[in-house]
Amino acid sequence: KAGVTQTPRYLIKTRGQQVTLSCSPISGHRSVSWYQQTPGQGLQFLFEYFSETQRNKGNFPGRFSGRQFSNSRSEMNVSTLELGDSALYLCASSLPGDTIYFGEGSWLTVV
Amino acid sequence: QQQVKQSPQSLIVQKGGISIINCAYENTAFDYFPWYQQFPGKGPALLIAIRPDVSEKKEGRFTISFNKSAKQFSLHIMDSQPGDSATYFCAASYNNAGNMLTFGGGTRLMVKP
Repeated sequence: KAGVTQTPRYLIKTRGQQVTLSCSPISGHRSVSWYQQTPGQGLQFLFEYFSETQRNKGNFPGRFSGRQFSNSRSEMNVSTLELGDSALYLCASSLPGDTIYFGEGSWLTVV
Repeated sequence: QQQVKQSPQSLIVQKGGISIINCAYENTAFDYFPWYQQFPGKGPALLIAIRPDVSEKKEGRFTISFNKSAKQFSLHIMDSQPGDSATYFCAASYNNAGNMLTFGGGTRLMVKP
């Protein structure tokens, strides 16, 4: 059974640009969540989607957005990139009330 | 507001020793407490988890101890091995929060051969 797949794994963007990251959850998982990991702030929850609806949202500015498609795949978008957005972005999926599985993440560097 | 505090930030243990990592939480609504292990370049992987209806849970060399009244929980790694060298995160969530985990700051464990 394939795990949580995230693409791209590594990317470099310039300040002011926007970026879209993609996540394919484990087959059958309808809940997808996103986290940002940085050395300074640690692991922080961004948002969660379930059946194409945003169910929870963390304390991040509106430049961070996401969506989920009918096949449970999810994307997150960051607009007007800032240097501080450089981070590892992790996607996770689960069945309701079950173990949360993480992907290997997308490394974003903003220059 | 840091709702889950983790200590120590780093830990060095000799092979065969016991590694102990502690976490304290503030939100009494939390009812699920997982520990994740993360190796460099990888995403976090669930190690072991506990709910507040039990005070201890053991899986192999890994044990979670839970103290509901003190709002604290800890991870014990018995017979620590060099392959256990990784970063460990405690986390917490509550039933209505879906997959919204609140993580501790992480502990970088090094097990010396």
